Amino acid sequence: ETGVTQTPRHLVMGMTNKKSLKCEQHLGHNAMYWYKQSAKKPLELMFVYNFKEQTENNSVPSRFSPECPNSSHLFLHLHTLQPEDSALYLCASSQDAIAGSEQFFGPGTRLTVL
Amino acid sequence: GENVEQHPSTLSVQEGDSAVIKCTYSDSASNYFPWYKQELGKGPQLIIDIRSNVGEKKDQRIAVTLNKTAKHFSLHITETQPEDSAVYFCAASIGSNDYKLSFGAGTTVTVRA
Repeated sequence: ETGVTQTPRHLVMGMTNKKSLKCEQHLGHNAMYWYKQSAKKPLELMFVYNFKEQTENNSVPSRFSPECPNSSHLFLHLHTLQPEDSALYLCASSQDAIAGSEQFFGPGTRLTVL
Repeated sequence: GENVEQHPSTLSVQEGDSAVIKCTYSDSASNYFPWYKQELGKGPQLIIDIRSNVGEKKDQRIAVTLNKTAKHFSLHITETQPEDSAVYFCAASIGSNDYKLSFGAGTTVTVRA
């Protein structure tokens, strides 16, 4: 266990549904990340939060909406997704996003958009 | 932006042999190069990293080399074991921002018993 948990582990949703992915870290870290992992492609950084403030939005479509209510929790709200959004969504945390430190990843949520 | 190329995409080795994965990057300002191992059903886990002021780093059976002039770095796994079978990702920091990483596409390593 890395200290980063993600729920649900699997999610199937239609294009008109609204769902949320949850990430929780038990490491006392201050930075949290969302990545998208598609088959045979590099991990794509989506969002970065440092001390609850969003510091990075990597040109992510507005149908993905992140929320970071505190340093331990990170959500990704999903609405009107497209089939090409099907992927593994990984959450990670690190001590902070300033000095640079090891990122600890959760197991991911496997998302399928029908 | 940073572009990281990783080769090969798949690698099959006999148990006990060595495995080598190579990556190149484009941003000369990159200064942090981690390697991650991802097992089935799990997230990536850091196995070793190297910074630009070091040319080589070793941790038991794993070593990483960095050539800043040529902008390439490599992962070496010696005496491979079945539990080394996984997908390995290299990454490079985007500029000098350690926390922003650009990843390679991954290498699926299979160790044959």
